[in-house]
Order: sequence, then structure tokens, then C-alpha cells
Amino acid sequence: DGGITQSPKYLFRKEGQNVTLSCEQNLNHDAMYWYRQDPGQGLRLIYYSQIVNDFQKGDIAEGYSVSREKKESFPLTVTSAQKNPTAFYLCASTDPGLQPQHFGDGTRLSIL
Amino acid sequence: AQKITQTQPGMFVQEKEAVTLDCTYDTSDQSYGLFWYKQPSSGEMIFLIYQGSYDEQNATEGRYSLNFQKARKSANLVISASQLGDSAMYFCAMREGLNNAGNMLTFGGGTRLMVKP
Repeated sequence: DGGITQSPKYLFRKEGQNVTLSCEQNLNHDAMYWYRQDPGQGLRLIYYSQIVNDFQKGDIAEGYSVSREKKESFPLTVTSAQKNPTAFYLCASTDPGLQPQHFGDGTRLSIL
Repeated sequence: AQKITQTQPGMFVQEKEAVTLDCTYDTSDQSYGLFWYKQPSSGEMIFLIYQGSYDEQNATEGRYSLNFQKARKSANLVISASQLGDSAMYFCAMREGLNNAGNMLTFGGGTRLMVKP
């Protein structure tokens, strides 16, 4: 079945450590997105990418980095500069136009 | 100013009854789209229904319908015949048309719906 796969489901980070969250899609979508969700809150955009080898900062990009070397993959790295990384991270993808974004199942990141 | 406002943090509804979840939005664009998503406790975001700003009819999708009042800038979600499985967080989101080549969405803070048996 077509969809978006995020891994791992749960991730723990030590102080000063970078961690990478995986997002893979087989929907052949051009655009991909990373969102952060804090408990009881809505989603906030971290980064997005419209095409391979191109990406743009969202509203809360500080402390995060991304790459888009393949159309199917859009990994997110949470760097040590992100001082409050504990959150639920959701990856999404879509086709151009007024199409809905399709989401993965998310990754819960916690600090050890 | 908030672009998407959901004023009901939590709501209860009796099973088999209808419920309306409120959403107001703020945009100066003429072309925009409004989306509703459901987020169960497991965390995934499930797309429910879409309304375009130029659509003359209110969107419907099974038990979901969207009460779109453009002049009031509201896009309320109506769930008919509530089921226990409808208990979840519900998010309203907007895609503005101008200067939005990235097809980005802005989300509201969500409403937690609890269906009582």
C-alpha cells in the first residue's frame, strides 16, 4: 500500500547528541514536510521541501536540519542546538495544488 | 493574530448524536482551502474533509460535513450520528493561495472530542 513511513516510533536523545528521524514515502509526491506537535497543541511547521535537493525553513527551524537527496526520503536531524526537543514529530507529503497532506504515524522524541 | 482558531478545547457528545466543532480563520487571500484532520490517541493524522474558498456547496464526506460560512470566515465540522471511534483530537487547517508555492498548511490548536456511550 502507498503511504508514509516514519521511524523509529520512539526515540530518546542524550544531552549534546544529534538524532535523525526517518521519513520515507512511496506516494510519488513532490512536496514533503516536517511538523512538531507539543502536548495538547496543534502542528507547527519545521521544514518543507518541494523538490529534490531543495528545502525551505518553516516557522520553527532553529535547532533542526533536513536533507532531500531522493524524492522518497526527507530525514530530519534534531541537533544539540535544539534545547527543548521533547515532542511528537510528524512527516507529511502532498502533490501540488489544493490536495490534502498525507501523514506518517509520527515519532515521539524524549530526552534522557 | 491567529490564522486558525478553534475555541473549544474539549467537547462531549452522546453516542448517535450530531456534534459541531468550530473553526474560524483569518486570511486576506481570495483563494484558499480549508481542511479537517482527525488525530486518534495513537497519533496519526487522518484527513477527513476539504472545502475550497470558491466551492459553492458545503463539502460532505460520509458522516462528515463542513458548514462553510465565507462571510463569517468559519468552517465548522459537523459529525452526524457520533460513534465511540470518533473520540479523538480534531484539527482545522488552512492553505492560503497567494505566495504559498510550498502548499503549506496552518493548523489550529485542536478540539478534543469525547463520545459518551
